Amino acid sequence: RKEVEQDPGPFNVPEGATVAFNCTYSNSASQSFFWYRQDCRKEPKLLMSVYSSGNEDGRFTAQLNRASQYISLLIRDSKLSDSATYLCVVILGGQNFVFGPGTRLSVLP
Amino acid sequence: EAGVAQSPRYKIIEKRQSVAFWCNPISGHATLYWYQQILGQGPKLLIQFQNNGVVDDSQLPKDRFSAERLKGVDSTLKIQPAKLEDSAVYLCASSLAGTYSYNEQFFGPGTRLTVL
Repeated sequence: RKEVEQDPGPFNVPEGATVAFNCTYSNSASQSFFWYRQDCRKEPKLLMSVYSSGNEDGRFTAQLNRASQYISLLIRDSKLSDSATYLCVVILGGQNFVFGPGTRLSVLP
Repeated sequence: EAGVAQSPRYKIIEKRQSVAFWCNPISGHATLYWYQQILGQGPKLLIQFQNNGVVDDSQLPKDRFSAERLKGVDSTLKIQPAKLEDSAVYLCASSLAGTYSYNEQFFGPGTRLTVL
């Protein structure tokens, strides 16, 4: 089993739709979790951290379920500009950074 | 504030040749990372430096890859000799200090390597 797995995608959704991605991790000792966004042929950029209590940033909501070892990202009211690849990052002990393979999202007009 | 700088942006070489990439992190960032991102995959950490010391190089193919950060600022990543499977984007990232805590990583634009 891979350390970090994500929904394979691609997700093709119309503008205004709500879309959710999941990311599962294999190491129960993982400590920190993040979502990064990567536009086509660009570098990854931090989208948001994921906290145990869940957190929201505008149209984006991140959730962590330690018992089931997964994190999720919910995007409401999708915009064309949300089209990108979404990478989850799992960190073990502050030193072991593992990126998931990414889920590609295309928001269609 | 200037971001992470990388050069060259693109490189095409033949297999068995050598290649070197350069990275200049954000000023004041003690931690520097090199990642390899193969098309369709997420970035894979190759090596992490804290100042000029190596924190993690467990996934660096040491028979052909080497990296250094001599003065704790700029870093170079070298491949010698290159193989076809080394074709990828090599990303450099930097963050504030913190071996046991996480600070946001800022990525450079990457170097796209094609090995023919």
